[in-house]
Amino acid sequence: DVKVTQSSRYLVKRTGEKVFLECVQDMDHENMFWYRQDPGLGLRLIYFSYDVKMKEKGDIPEGYSVSREKKERFSLILESASTNQTSMYLCASTTDTYNSPLHFGNGTRLTVT
Amino acid sequence: KNQVEQSPQSLIILEGKNCTLQCNYTVSPFSNLRWYKQDTGRGPVSLTIMTFSENTKSNGRYTATLDADTKQSSLHITASQLSDSASYICVVSGDGGSQGNLIFGKGTKLSVKP
Repeated sequence: DVKVTQSSRYLVKRTGEKVFLECVQDMDHENMFWYRQDPGLGLRLIYFSYDVKMKEKGDIPEGYSVSREKKERFSLILESASTNQTSMYLCASTTDTYNSPLHFGNGTRLTVT
Repeated sequence: KNQVEQSPQSLIILEGKNCTLQCNYTVSPFSNLRWYKQDTGRGPVSLTIMTFSENTKSNGRYTATLDADTKQSSLHITASQLSDSASYICVVSGDGGSQGNLIFGKGTKLSVKP
């Protein structure tokens, strides 16, 4: 079974802090994604990556950056955390075929105070 | 505008009963439609993926249907169990099937009561 592991289940950070969310997958998937999930809004794509060192902006990239130095690891960075970034963050990975399912981690619930 | 609308927003049923969740979409061009199950506090898990040419697909007690002409899909759950309590998310892939161009519905929250 594919395993997508997010480093933290819960995080509490202060406004202005730099925050790193880490995600690791063990199935050699080419594609990795970061989403945020908010009540009433569904999942929204922040950034995704098709290959090492490659990144593409999703629908809501403002205030975020990403890093993919190794194929199995995809990091989401909040450069200066703000209270409106309080959310559930979900990482996902998948193969390169168009109809392959996304495999999600169990999420990181981030609270910015 | 590409959109995925799910109904109802929430649903309560008794254990053992069947139910059907709806998904309407306006995504064009269409590549495939997916249903995911998300337990509380967990990430979504894939149930089915259907392409344009498929009009029904089953995964155990879950059966998804797709009508590409009317742009509607449904997820039917048979003989519900307490463990079916979750949010069910419909996702449509357009634009050549790019995995970076998935459009998510807001989900239907299902509660199965004993």
